[in-house]
Amino acid sequence: GQSLEQPSEVTAVEGAIVQINCTYQTSGFYGLSWYQQHDGGAPTFLSYNALDGLEETGRFSSFLSRSDSYGYLLLQELQMKDSASYFCAVSDGSYSGAGSYQLTFGKGTKLSVIP
Amino acid sequence: DTEVTQTPKHLVMGMTNKKSLKCEQHMGHRAMYWYKQKAKKPPELMFVYSYEKLSINESVPSRFSPECPNSSLLNLHLHALQPEDSALYLCASSREPRGTQYFGPGTRLLVL
Repeated sequence: GQSLEQPSEVTAVEGAIVQINCTYQTSGFYGLSWYQQHDGGAPTFLSYNALDGLEETGRFSSFLSRSDSYGYLLLQELQMKDSASYFCAVSDGSYSGAGSYQLTFGKGTKLSVIP
Repeated sequence: DTEVTQTPKHLVMGMTNKKSLKCEQHMGHRAMYWYKQKAKKPPELMFVYSYEKLSINESVPSRFSPECPNSSLLNLHLHALQPEDSALYLCASSREPRGTQYFGPGTRLLVL
């Protein structure tokens, strides 16, 4: 099975940088994804890491260390609109049936950006 | 274009009703998914269709019945639901079964 750990809540100041960590245990690993979800909305894809290292997309960056089963999402130049829940999710490398890979989500980190 | 559409946006139904949720994508994605999400919880996988075949059914009660009429459409048929089934139902798709999943806006379901 899979399990993911991430902080439940983080508070940061507008304009600052915040890092949301995610550790995982999985029987098969294919990649680590990050999703943003505003209250009342649907998850929006942010970033994906299959290999070790840093992926940068605008103000968002994501890092993965497969040897440490660890990743993080880095948000720079925080804006009020970044207040949301952030989920890390592991793609399970196990193969099932006609060919499918499960995505297992962490419990989410609620980010509050304050003025 | 990474748009997945879902209808209806909101649904209220009684425990004896039959209703269907619809999901559509025109990105040529070959895998489609149904998730259930309760408030302040992560999405929970319900079903996976890969190349129009049901490949994962996460021990979902039979009152939920998925259907994939073609590669662009995914339905979730609902019958005799319970109040605890009230949740946000999310559809997602990915180009390939192992690919990045893109979510639709969801259907917010209330069972009375």
